[in-house]
Amino acid sequence: KQEVTQIPAALSVPEGENLVLNCSFTDSAIYNLQWFRQDPGKGLTSLLLIQSSQREQTSGRLNASLDKSSGRSTLYIAASQPGDSATYLCAAGTSYDKVIFGPGTSLSVIP
Amino acid sequence: DAGVIQSPRHEVTEMGQEVTLRCKPISGHNSLFWYRQTMMRGLELLIYFNNNVPIDDSGMPEDRFSAKMPNASFSTLKIQPSEPRDSAVYFCASMSWDTRTDTQYFGPGTRLTVL
Repeated sequence: KQEVTQIPAALSVPEGENLVLNCSFTDSAIYNLQWFRQDPGKGLTSLLLIQSSQREQTSGRLNASLDKSSGRSTLYIAASQPGDSATYLCAAGTSYDKVIFGPGTSLSVIP
Repeated sequence: DAGVIQSPRHEVTEMGQEVTLRCKPISGHNSLFWYRQTMMRGLELLIYFNNNVPIDDSGMPEDRFSAKMPNASFSTLKIQPSEPRDSAVYFCASMSWDTRTDTQYFGPGTRLTVL
């Protein structure tokens, strides 16, 4: 059974700092790995999706990497801004349409 | 497109009452998912449909929960009778199987409180 964990559970950084969020999954036979953002009281928004055959994806200041052999993914946020404050969830895809979510990392970027 | 629409946004009810949550997926999407989010258990998949057919309901906690998708543009999640431990945020998400974008689009959620 696939299990997804995220470290740290919460993170507070000053504006402008670069940061890394970590995600681990127990079963390396994943279909894909996604990172989502959730703002308070809102639904989830997909940020980056890495197919199982890929090693990383980039979008603007965000870069996500995937290492299937070690069961790890990282989300790198460059030059953090207060608007980046949110909860970030990673999700391991067990098939094209089914994902298992991690508990999330709550990020606070202090102006 | 307006995105995934859920109603109501907030629901407060008393234990034992029937609760019905509603979802309208994005037009053209043929997969629909119901999730529940709590502080203790995080985001859990309850059930999902492909082309209106339930594919996996192994996440439905017990017989008090039922879900239907009578057509491609509407789904309901019903809890009868409701219990305080059902209090959570319930999300609906949809996805296009045809385009294989592999990304689910989430609605804003329904915050359910059972007293």
